[in-house]
Amino acid sequence: EVQLLESGGGLVQPGGSLRLSCAASGFTFSTYDMSWVRQTPGKGLEWVSLISGSDSRAYYVDSVRGRFTISRDNSKNTLYLELNSLRAEDTAVYYCVAGSSGPRDWGQGTLVTVSS
Amino acid sequence: DVVLTQSPLSLPVTLGQPASISCRSSQSLVYSDGNTYLNWFQQRPGQSPRRLIYKVSNRDSGVPDRFSGSGSGTDFTLKISRVEAEDVGVYYCMQGTHWPRTFGQGTQVEIK
Repeated sequence: EVQLLESGGGLVQPGGSLRLSCAASGFTFSTYDMSWVRQTPGKGLEWVSLISGSDSRAYYVDSVRGRFTISRDNSKNTLYLELNSLRAEDTAVYYCVAGSSGPRDWGQGTLVTVSS
Repeated sequence: DVVLTQSPLSLPVTLGQPASISCRSSQSLVYSDGNTYLNWFQQRPGQSPRRLIYKVSNRDSGVPDRFSGSGSGTDFTLKISRVEAEDVGVYYCMQGTHWPRTFGQGTQVEIK
C-alpha cells in the first residue's frame, strides 16, 4: 500500500522559512516523479513543484520559482520542499503526491500558515 | 498556463438522479505521446483529493462504475449515473499534459 506522510508545516512569519518532508513507502520511490500540490480556500488546488524520478530535474510554478526548492533523497525514500521568503499568500495545505501527469496517491497534507 | 474551466460550480442533485460536470481547456490536452492527460478528482470534506478517472475515461480501482469520464481535445465531461449520498464533495478536473499542471476551480456536488 502506498503511503505518503508529510511533515514540517507550521506557523511562520512573513519572510521566514520552512522545510517540508514527505516520507514515502509502498512503491519504488526512486523511479517516480514526485510533486507538491497546495490548496487554499481562495485559490483552490495549485501545482507547486515537480521533481523527476529519472534525473531529479525540477519544475516550479511561477509564483514560487526562486523561493522554493524541491529535492529528494532516494536512499531515504523522502521528498522535500524548502520554502523561503514566505508570503501570506503561501498559506495553504501542502500535499505530497506521487506522479506528475495524474497522481493517484496523495498524502494527508501539512498546513503552512504565514502570518505575523 | 492552461486554464481549465469547470461548469457548473455548484450542482445540487436529487439522490438517484444523474449528474454531469463539464471541464473545458484553453489548449488541447493531447500530449506528444498521443495520450490525453485529463484526470478527475473527488474531494470529500476533510479529506485529500482522490483520483477517480485518469486519461479521460479510465476509472481507478475501487471507483464505482456509476462514475464515467469522456471527451477529447479541449472538452471533457464527468458523469455520475445515479448520485448517492457518499458522492457529496468537490470535483476537480486536472491536466497533466502541460507545465505547470493545472486544476479546474472545482464543482461542489450536494444533495437537494
